[in-house]
Amino acid sequence: QVQLVQSGSELKKPGASVKVSCKASGNTFNSYAMNWVRQAPGQGLEWMGWINTNTGNPTYAQDFTGRFVFSLDTSVSTAYLQISSLEAEDTAVYYCARVGLVVDARGYYYYMDVWGKGTTVTVSS
Amino acid sequence: DIQMTQSPSSLSASVGDRVTITCRASQSIRSYLNWYQQKPGKAPNLLIYAASSLQSGVPSRFSGSGSGTDFTLTISSLQPEDFATYYCQQSYSTPYTFGRGTKLEIK
Repeated sequence: QVQLVQSGSELKKPGASVKVSCKASGNTFNSYAMNWVRQAPGQGLEWMGWINTNTGNPTYAQDFTGRFVFSLDTSVSTAYLQISSLEAEDTAVYYCARVGLVVDARGYYYYMDVWGKGTTVTVSS
Repeated sequence: DIQMTQSPSSLSASVGDRVTITCRASQSIRSYLNWYQQKPGKAPNLLIYAASSLQSGVPSRFSGSGSGTDFTLTISSLQPEDFATYYCQQSYSTPYTFGRGTKLEIK
């Protein structure tokens, strides 16, 4: 069964760093890429970016450049999200989600078909 | 960035109702549009991809249509388990932006 297992909740102080993991089972890690999605309390979904699981090349949305780093350890089928210099505004649930891809005559269609359960990161002094 | 505008932001309906949620893109995204359902405290779940393709395992009462800038998600006959928040997302160009969501509540 395809699954993404994320690390547990984190409570951090402002200025600290956090590293969230997302371990894939089955053939999940052989998909094109792994997305990261943020959801602040009571808010909607924000696409943070993705990392190509074949090349390790990351793509970041503009709001997630600088303090946010995506990485991989393919030997253990795990993707990571590291956030440095944490701010209270980083308090959110962070999801990893596998990129699904369908190719037809119209083009390449990406979507997120397998999601982790989310990791809650709380930043508070 | 492409802006995705969903309407309504919230909706009250009854079991058995037919419900339509709309999503408008700030520019043409052809058919690069996905729909997700999210229940409180849970991860989102993919319903529709490529505007109208039903994800495996999703009930056939869900359907998607549209292309260009205007899209709809239709639930043909609401079931109790359908009360949730629905998000559209464009996959035409990065960043792959989401709409702000439509909360579907029980009337």
